[in-house]
Amino acid sequence: QMQLQESGPGLVKPSETLSLTCTVSGGSIRSSSYYWGWIRQPPGKGLEWIGSVYYSGSTYYNLSLKSRVTISVDTSKNQFSLKLSSVTAADTAVYFCARLMTTVVGGWYFDLWGRGTLVTVSS
Amino acid sequence: QSALTQPASVSGSPGQSITISCTGTSSDVGSHNLVSWYQQHPGKAPKLMIYEVSKRPSGISNRFSGSKSGNTASLTISGLQAEDEADYYCCSYVGTITFRVLFGGGTKLTVL
Repeated sequence: QMQLQESGPGLVKPSETLSLTCTVSGGSIRSSSYYWGWIRQPPGKGLEWIGSVYYSGSTYYNLSLKSRVTISVDTSKNQFSLKLSSVTAADTAVYFCARLMTTVVGGWYFDLWGRGTLVTVSS
Repeated sequence: QSALTQPASVSGSPGQSITISCTGTSSDVGSHNLVSWYQQHPGKAPKLMIYEVSKRPSGISNRFSGSKSGNTASLTISGLQAEDEADYYCCSYVGTITFRVLFGGGTKLTVL
């Protein structure tokens, strides 16, 4: 049974870079059926897609965050990572990693999620 | 691109049915059948309830159903139960040269 687990600092200072890693266990990140994504949720607010990565390294980003976001994949460690630069208090949120299912004829849904990790931006 | 539009809240009594709408545009919801719905209880990760507009993952009750008309997708929950009280989010693929994902703003379901 595949599982996802987020890890990284829970507190980041303003203007610094937020870095999180998602470890995939119980299966391989090298699957043609999946993209891997990051989604965040500010306290009391809705979900926001940050971006997704394919095991080959191809990336796709939310246009509103694109200038500050880098998502990468490390197939040797079965992990993918998020870096968000120049953070402000508005970036305080629970960050989820998730598996994005795709098929030849459709898909495009998040069928497996990590538990999420709260990242607070504060000095 | 703006989030998909959902009502902020809906409510119903046990046993009743409710419907949550999700309105997008002809560039997202209206252009394909790649709409999904997620249930989120407080402090928990979202859970997939519906994918490709109307399909249910294994283990999801048939009380949950999805549909779409034009640029609006809908989630219907029949036979409301107390445990259905949660936040619900719709989600759409947006694809042109590259792909993006849009979420709705979320709907709080209260079971009276």
